[in-house]
Amino acid sequence: DADVTQTPRNRITKTGKRIMLECSQTKGHDRMYWYRQDPGLGLQLIYYSFDVKDINKGEISDGYSVSRQAQAKFSLSLESAIPNQTALYFCATSDSGQGYADTQYFGPGTRLTVL
Amino acid sequence: QQQVKQSPQSLIVQKGGIPIINCAYENTAFDYFPWYQQFPGKGPALLIAIRPDVSEKKEGRFTISFNKSAKQFSLHIMDSQPGDSATYFCAASHAGNNRKLIWGLGTSLAVNP
Repeated sequence: DADVTQTPRNRITKTGKRIMLECSQTKGHDRMYWYRQDPGLGLQLIYYSFDVKDINKGEISDGYSVSRQAQAKFSLSLESAIPNQTALYFCATSDSGQGYADTQYFGPGTRLTVL
Repeated sequence: QQQVKQSPQSLIVQKGGIPIINCAYENTAFDYFPWYQQFPGKGPALLIAIRPDVSEKKEGRFTISFNKSAKQFSLHIMDSQPGDSATYFCAASHAGNNRKLIWGLGTSLAVNP
């Protein structure tokens, strides 16, 4: 969805480097999410934010940190990258005003390789 | 602990066939069950969703069947086409967990011409 953008789209880095993945959205949504996708493991939630002042850990937050700089921006950092963080990373947004039908809209993904 | 179990992990059908993907859940608090479709190189996108007050929902060639007593729901794709080749994820949510989606592990579907 072009309304949710992620940069960079691809990144190759070395073990121990600090990496930041950025997500921006123009949908005006209050909720934002970071997921990691590995083959056969589905979508694992790393962190989520329900508004600028509300940030929560997901199921696999160890080794990651996030920053919600504005309602439209949510960045994911790997403080010291390790090879098992090689994966496809997705940002998603949703609108809490939808009630139970809280549809998540995904960005195009960032493919990260840690050597 | 996997709260939403999805099967099969992969599926190959011929064009025109009816692939069926199944999901099962344990938490009876779940009250919203979406299916997302992901094409290679893209993020997942909502395909169709159902609430437990109905047993079936149809949108075009895609149908969700819901069995509340068995705590199972499934996606059927009628007259499947090669363009339906994608990964399909089922998910579930409820108000008690702030509507966070609990995801199945995904099914990779290939529809051969």
